[in-house]
Amino acid sequence: GDSVTQMEGPVTLSEEAFLTINCTYTATGYPSLFWYVQYPGEGLQLLLKATKADDKGSNKGFEATYRKETTSFHLEKGSVQVSDSAVYFCALRVTRGQNFVFGPGTRLSVLP
Amino acid sequence: EAQVTQNPRYLITVTGKKLTVTCSQNMNHEYMSWYRQDPGLGLRQIYYSMNVEVTDKGDVPEGYKVSRKEKRNFPLILESPSPNQTSLYFCASSSWTGSSGANVLTFGAGSRLTVL
Repeated sequence: GDSVTQMEGPVTLSEEAFLTINCTYTATGYPSLFWYVQYPGEGLQLLLKATKADDKGSNKGFEATYRKETTSFHLEKGSVQVSDSAVYFCALRVTRGQNFVFGPGTRLSVLP
Repeated sequence: EAQVTQNPRYLITVTGKKLTVTCSQNMNHEYMSWYRQDPGLGLRQIYYSMNVEVTDKGDVPEGYKVSRKEKRNFPLILESPSPNQTSLYFCASSSWTGSSGANVLTFGAGSRLTVL
């Protein structure tokens, strides 16, 4: 079945460090890919998305590129801030199945 | 404001006492879904609904019921709650075209349920 794998957390970084959170997927068909973020005490919200191969999603300094050849959608940010501390979820939606599949989430802590 | 509203936000109950967590969205979305979030287990889907009167099981449906009689509402029913249903619950909704598009999930703020 369809699935999403994320790097294990938690990830702890110092402010202004470079961030990468790996995400790979298995899916039938051609999924749309998402990164959602959950700030402490809140629900999930969309961070960025990509709908086809080689698309790059970006928002708030975060970027991720849809790599069909490696079935990956890694999240990157060049300089993290304390306010980026949150749980990050990679997700996909396979259009034929119409349902969403989430990865387990990666907790990021950024220290001042 | 476009939103998904869940109630109650916090609830402490006892084993066996039936409860309902309501979910309502004001965006005319066809798709709605319930998830539970537990430490170390990530987000797990309980039930989802593609449209009115159409529901299907997710990964962890045991002990839960849902109904979708109206497009805007998707209540989660725990007929006989047990302590292993203590969790943080999220409702979410999305529109869909049926064939393509990166339709986005909008989440509620969450309902923290404790079953003693």
